[in-house]
Amino acid sequence: GAVVSQHPSRVICKSGTSVKIECRSLDFQATTMFWYRQFPKQSLMLMATSNEGSKATYEQGVEKDKFLINHASLTLSTLTVTSAHPEDSSFYICSARAGTGSYGYTFGSGTRLTVV
Amino acid sequence: AQKVTQAQTEISVVEKEDVTLDCVYETRDTTYYLFWYKQPPSGELVFLIRRNSFDEQNEISGRYSWNFQKSTSSFNFTITASQVVDSAVYFCALSEIRAADEDDDKIIFGKGTRLHILP
Repeated sequence: GAVVSQHPSRVICKSGTSVKIECRSLDFQATTMFWYRQFPKQSLMLMATSNEGSKATYEQGVEKDKFLINHASLTLSTLTVTSAHPEDSSFYICSARAGTGSYGYTFGSGTRLTVV
Repeated sequence: AQKVTQAQTEISVVEKEDVTLDCVYETRDTTYYLFWYKQPPSGELVFLIRRNSFDEQNEISGRYSWNFQKSTSSFNFTITASQVVDSAVYFCALSEIRAADEDDDKIIFGKGTRLHILP
């Protein structure tokens, strides 16, 4: 089945530093990937839609310069949290659509970011 | 605008009881997908089902069943003979189907229902 690999699963960083999260589709090509954020006991909120070879489309209220998204190839999208602050601590999860078949959307296993 | 409402924030039932998780959605589109995902404590999202808006047949998969009622815009999920391993947060979600630009569709999630199965 379609697999999306997300790394790292957990990261702790100091306030002011940047953190990069990778999302890879392992056995399919994903022209579009999605990045979500989830606060504790909250739903997943879509942050941005990442399109291969073009600029990401950000949802209202999401800072483009804060959350840099790069989709350099059909199998890799990255989210960089720049100048992280404690309020950026959250669970970040990516997903990719593996075509129109029964797989639908496949999600990565998520990254728990803690900014200290 | 799209919206998914899961009115039940938290449910606790005793093991072996049946439990139904409610999901009501709003969309102006006539074609869309509905999903259910399970999120165990480890955090990853586990895909359970995707239903096309054209297909109103109910579905059963083992102890899981789904009731899709287009007339009431509901897509409820029932677990029969619940087990402790079913304890998780369950998300209902909606995605439009855009035939012309299908790669750009996105999923809108409900707030989730936290299910506790008590031994």
